[in-house]
Amino acid sequence: QSVLTQPPSVSGAPGQRVTISCTGSRSNIGAGYDVYWYQQLPGTAPKLLFYANNNRPSGVPDRFSASKSGTSASLAITGLQAEDEADYYCQSYDSSLMVFGGGTKLTVL
Amino acid sequence: QVQLQESGPGLVKPSETLSLTCTVSGGSFSSDYWSWIRQPPGKGLEWIGYIYYTGSTTYNPSLKSRVTISLDRSQNQFSLNLNSVTTADTAVYYCARVRYREGIYWGQGTPVTVSS
Repeated sequence: QSVLTQPPSVSGAPGQRVTISCTGSRSNIGAGYDVYWYQQLPGTAPKLLFYANNNRPSGVPDRFSASKSGTSASLAITGLQAEDEADYYCQSYDSSLMVFGGGTKLTVL
Repeated sequence: QVQLQESGPGLVKPSETLSLTCTVSGGSFSSDYWSWIRQPPGKGLEWIGYIYYTGSTTYNPSLKSRVTISLDRSQNQFSLNLNSVTTADTAVYYCARVRYREGIYWGQGTPVTVSS
């Protein structure tokens, strides 16, 4: 049971928009801790997608966006492409302990 | 650009100690947290713990009784010891640099199997 809750899977057709939610509580996201998002392609290490809630590292396409509100955060991908098929994880902190969401598998139909 | 490389045995027997080392190149231990994170086959990410550049440690409460993370500045390395392992400890183990408000920078990961 992960501290942060994500849907196990989402899917969308190429060109569509999908969102992935990350639900926490008052002791983590709701306490003001930043949220981070990672993309994990099959057989590879996770890669940073967003830092400090909604900041995109260089090289991440602007088709990706992230937001945080209250005790939740979300990741949105517009103009879905086949290469976006991956596992996505949210991460935050809970009283200085690092916590992850359970991960969401994105399938591009 | 900092690089992190895990090393250690890929096979550990049940009840023994899993020991891994992470070698950091292109950077130094300053103002950052150095972490171990694992991923069991087909499952999600689990934070094991981290060591601050000062040497202070914080561990996942669920693993705290079995984990030690240490730092060797002279070798630019930090290490993980996990004792009394069981098959549930089989996973890909990642070492990582955690920088305040910048997120996690990951090593490539090393698979460890616990089996007799």
